[in-house]
Amino acid sequence: DTGVSQNPRHKITKRGQNVTFRCDPISEHNRLYWYRQTLGQGPEFLTYFQNEAQLEKSRLLSDRFSAERPKGSFSTLEIQRTEQGDSAMYLCASSLGGMKTQYFGPGTRLLVL
Amino acid sequence: QKEVEQNSGPLSVPEGAIASLNCTYSDRGSQSFFWYRQYSGKSPELIMFIYSNGDKEDGRFTAQLNKASQYVSLLIRDSQPSDSATYLCAADNNAGNMLTFGGGTRLMVKP
Repeated sequence: DTGVSQNPRHKITKRGQNVTFRCDPISEHNRLYWYRQTLGQGPEFLTYFQNEAQLEKSRLLSDRFSAERPKGSFSTLEIQRTEQGDSAMYLCASSLGGMKTQYFGPGTRLLVL
Repeated sequence: QKEVEQNSGPLSVPEGAIASLNCTYSDRGSQSFFWYRQYSGKSPELIMFIYSNGDKEDGRFTAQLNKASQYVSLLIRDSQPSDSATYLCAADNNAGNMLTFGGGTRLMVKP
């Protein structure tokens, strides 16, 4: 499968714990995006990387959230001191530079108890 | 706040009918518009995109764009029960580096 992959697919954690999610984009795609989606809503943009550079961050991305893409390939999204309001589906998407079409991975569903 | 608005539905159509899904957007700087289909518990799957005024057809799907009215629509011909899903409309920003999504319209196609 050469699509976007995300791990883990599901994560249950207790409030206050840290969690980290991984995204592997489509291999030739240099742009990578993170979105968050809660039940009944559309995805909300969190952040965007072009290669290893983080070029855009939403105000939704509080200081408890950090994202990296160290070698311009896979990316990680870390949430520190999780809160119940962080429960959502975290979606990663990728695109090829110059093309605006974004392809989504299967998502990581986070439940904070 | 730049927004994309969709009627949440559900929109119910009989099998074989045409389903019409609508979307409006507020950012006049948006250049490209996307329709994604999302089955319950799954991630969004791209159906098609459009960036020129007018119609764009792909199989049973036709996207329509009217930039003057800031309006995008998706027509699904010969609707099938397997088309039952939530349809998300998205618009890019002026820099083309993020998408703003509507809340989605739930479509139900009844056999």
